[in-house]
Amino acid sequence: GEDVEQSLFLSVREGDSSVINCTYTDSSSTYLYWYKQEPGAGLQLLTYIFSNMDMKQDQRLTVLLNKKDKHLSLRIADTQTGDSAIYFCAESTSSSNTGKLIFGQGTTLQVKP
Amino acid sequence: EAQVTQNPRYLITVTGKKLTVTCSQNMNHEYMSWYRQDPGLGLRQIYYSMNVEVTDKGDVPEGYKVSRKEKRNFPLILESPSPNQTSLYFCASSYNRRNTEAFFGQGTRLTVV
Repeated sequence: GEDVEQSLFLSVREGDSSVINCTYTDSSSTYLYWYKQEPGAGLQLLTYIFSNMDMKQDQRLTVLLNKKDKHLSLRIADTQTGDSAIYFCAESTSSSNTGKLIFGQGTTLQVKP
Repeated sequence: EAQVTQNPRYLITVTGKKLTVTCSQNMNHEYMSWYRQDPGLGLRQIYYSMNVEVTDKGDVPEGYKVSRKEKRNFPLILESPSPNQTSLYFCASSYNRRNTEAFFGQGTRLTVV
């Protein structure tokens, strides 16, 4: 079945790196996404990675994909208080014709000054 | 500016009173969908639409209806709301079902008493 799991909470100090982890079960995943949700706001797409890639870097964000272990991570370098938010991992699969995104539960990132 | 607009942002209603949450996008996207977000469950798809007059059920469609008479609009209808439909609702749109860049609305927080 389709399932995406994330830890619920992460606390870091400002300036440190944050690593948010995600595991998924569907081996036919084609795209994997990271979304950010700030309080009272919608979801903002941060980055996505195609399933045949191992890594993608975009400024302070690094996405690592271990397809064998079905493990995805988001590293935020030099974490700032403005990075405090809920981060959702999501996948879309080639086995689905619905275009549905399957979301994890979300990881709340708390950045302490 | 590319955006997905939902209305209202907040709504408190009583059990059984029909309501509609509107969603409009200005990007000429074919694919639109509705999700509900509940604590610890992430986002789950309610309904989706591949194009005008083409709609289908997502994972949690019970108690909801949708319509897609025009490309830009995708309203969510609750004919007889119940307290278990208290949730945070998001509308999303993308160019197609591959969702490589899905845009989300700001969310509608619905409380049914």
